[in-house]
Amino acid sequence: DTEVTQTPKHLVMGMTNKKSLKCEQHMGHRAMYWYKQKAKKPPELMFVYSYEKLSINESVPSRFSPECPNSSLLNLHLHALQPEDSALYLCASSQDRGSGELFFGEGSRLTVL
Amino acid sequence: AQSVTQLGSHVSVSEGALVLLRCNYSSSVPPYLFWYVQYPNQGLQLLLKYTTGATLVKGINGFEAEFKKSETSFHLTKPSAHMSDAAEYFCAVSDFSHAGKSTFGDGTTLTVKP
Repeated sequence: DTEVTQTPKHLVMGMTNKKSLKCEQHMGHRAMYWYKQKAKKPPELMFVYSYEKLSINESVPSRFSPECPNSSLLNLHLHALQPEDSALYLCASSQDRGSGELFFGEGSRLTVL
Repeated sequence: AQSVTQLGSHVSVSEGALVLLRCNYSSSVPPYLFWYVQYPNQGLQLLLKYTTGATLVKGINGFEAEFKKSETSFHLTKPSAHMSDAAEYFCAVSDFSHAGKSTFGDGTTLTVKP
């Protein structure tokens, strides 16, 4: 069983909708990540939070807005997405930003119509 | 800069045969190296990792990998493939100069034939 929990598992939204993806971990990890993964491709880093502060933003479009309410929770707010944003969105955590070992959730499969 | 090259996007083996998935890395400082497995419609799961110390590392499900600095390689092996090993495998590198950023290879799809 994964110790990183993501909800929802599946999400279908129109281009004018606003939705959010949620991620939770209770391992005491201090770094949390959002990745985007297209079919048959490796995960692409989007954002990194370290000690609840945004430390890396990989030039992600502003229609994706991350939020880290506390050390256990990570949200990704979605607004005005495009069909090409359809992908598997993976949340991960690590003990700290430099430890390298990532613990992934099962992902949220997003379809934008 | 750090990078990972996985040789062979598809590998097919028979059940019971040796599994060998190849990974070469580039890193300007001593790297941390990882192998992850991804089953369909799931997230990535860590198979094994090399940080420091023993260069032969053992992981879950009977997999192991050997860190060879002189060859800049970290190949993944399993003596005897099982049908349940069919999945996507990613090699990844991380180092302190890129803290927080793991670089993944393009992945290798392992097919196991009965």
